[in-house]
Amino acid sequence: AQSVTQLGSHVSVSEGALVLLRCNYSSSVPPYLFWYVQYPNQGLQLLLKYTTGATLVKGINGFEAEFKKSETSFLLTKPSAHMSDAAEYFCALPGSGYSTLTFGKGTMLLVSP
Amino acid sequence: DGGITQSPKYLFRKEGQNVTLSCEQNLNHDAMYWYRQDPGQGLRLIYYSQIVNDFQKGDIAEGYSVSREKKESFPLTVTSAQKNPTAFYLCASSIDTGTGLHGYTFGSGTRLTVV
Repeated sequence: AQSVTQLGSHVSVSEGALVLLRCNYSSSVPPYLFWYVQYPNQGLQLLLKYTTGATLVKGINGFEAEFKKSETSFLLTKPSAHMSDAAEYFCALPGSGYSTLTFGKGTMLLVSP
Repeated sequence: DGGITQSPKYLFRKEGQNVTLSCEQNLNHDAMYWYRQDPGQGLRLIYYSQIVNDFQKGDIAEGYSVSREKKESFPLTVTSAQKNPTAFYLCASSIDTGTGLHGYTFGSGTRLTVV
C-alpha cells in the first residue's frame, strides 16, 4: 500500500525567505496529490491539487507544487514567506483502492519576523 | 454557501459515556469521511461512506460507530470502548465515490476531551 512521508515535522523560515516543504511517496507514482493547509483549531483547506504529468501547479496564497520523480518527492514551495503562512501543511495521496486519501503526518511551518 | 457543518466545536465527555459528533453537508456530495487527528500523527481514517445506508471501516474503527441514513448526514459515535478518545475529529466529504480525484471538503472539526 502506498505510504506518504512528510520530511520535517517543523520547518522554520524567516519572513520573506523561500518556503520548501517535501512529501515523499513510497511506491508507484501516484496520479495526483493534494496539499492542504490547516490553521489552529480549524479544518483543512485545499491549497492545490497536483496531477502527475504537470510541470508546475499554482495554488492559492502564492504556493506552487513541483514533482521530482528522481527523488520520489513532491515539493510545495513559495518564493517569499509571509507571517500569515504559519500553519500546518499536509500532503495527501490516493489510498488503497483509490477510495480514500492517505495523509502525511503534517509539517508545521513557523515564520519569524 | 455550501459546506460542511460539524457540531459541537468543543465537547467534553466523562469516561464510560458514549458521545455523538454531528456532521452535516449541503454540497450534495455522495462520499463522507471521518478522520481523527492527534498531534504529530496526521489524519487517520475512522470510517467512510460512499452511499446512503452503507459505510466501511477505516484504519482505526475500533471503539467508533457511524450511520448514514441520509445523504447529508454522517454522525460519528465515540463509544466507551474507545480507550483514548481525546482528539480532534474532522469530517469531510467528496463528490467522488471511488477515485478521490476531486479531493475532500473538510468541516471545521470537533475537539473532544474526556474528563
